[in-house]
Amino acid sequence: SQQGEEDPQALSIQEGENATMNCSYKTSINNLQWYRQNSGRGLVHLILIRSNEREKHSGRLRVTLDTSKKSSSLLITASRAADTASYFCATLFQGAQKLVFGQGTRLTINP
Amino acid sequence: DTAVSQTPKYLVTQMGNDKSIKCEQNLGHDTMYWYKQDSKKFLKIMFSYNNKELIINETVPNRFSPKSPDKAHLNLHINSLELGDSAVYFCASSQDRANEKLFFGSGTQLSVL
Repeated sequence: SQQGEEDPQALSIQEGENATMNCSYKTSINNLQWYRQNSGRGLVHLILIRSNEREKHSGRLRVTLDTSKKSSSLLITASRAADTASYFCATLFQGAQKLVFGQGTRLTINP
Repeated sequence: DTAVSQTPKYLVTQMGNDKSIKCEQNLGHDTMYWYKQDSKKFLKIMFSYNNKELIINETVPNRFSPKSPDKAHLNLHINSLELGDSAVYFCASSQDRANEKLFFGSGTQLSVL
């Protein structure tokens, strides 16, 4: 399966701590994207990183990409209760026309 | 003003019935998608349209028929509903077929009894 695998499946931390989620994939990609899904809602695009990029930032989000290890990580710094959600990585494989989503990491921020 | 809106939000129906889900985007995007999210949160693409033209048709039963009357609308009709069709269906759009930065609707939770 080309599906990305996310790790951990669930993560529970205290407000103010940093949260790190990982995504691994199996074949070469054009880009990798991270999305957030709040309970009962649609997915919201967070950040896109291309295969020739190693790191991107957006506010409290930091995404890294290691194409040699075929993995990416999403770091959320200074977490807030509002960050509680599921986070999905989605990969666009080379030569493909569709995004392939991982199963997601369910993040819980405890006040 | 909602960017990608789909209706209805909830759909409860009996096996064997036919139902439709409607989707509209006001972003001026060229490409629209239907995704299915199962109970384990796996999100899988079903169809993709670019400027009303079908470009992706995954191995979906032909009981599912998408229709795009114009590039702002993509509807999904499902015939002879089965128990296994129960899931959350998401409509999404992107500026073009490059699959970058998808905008998702809020989902339609379909329950087949």
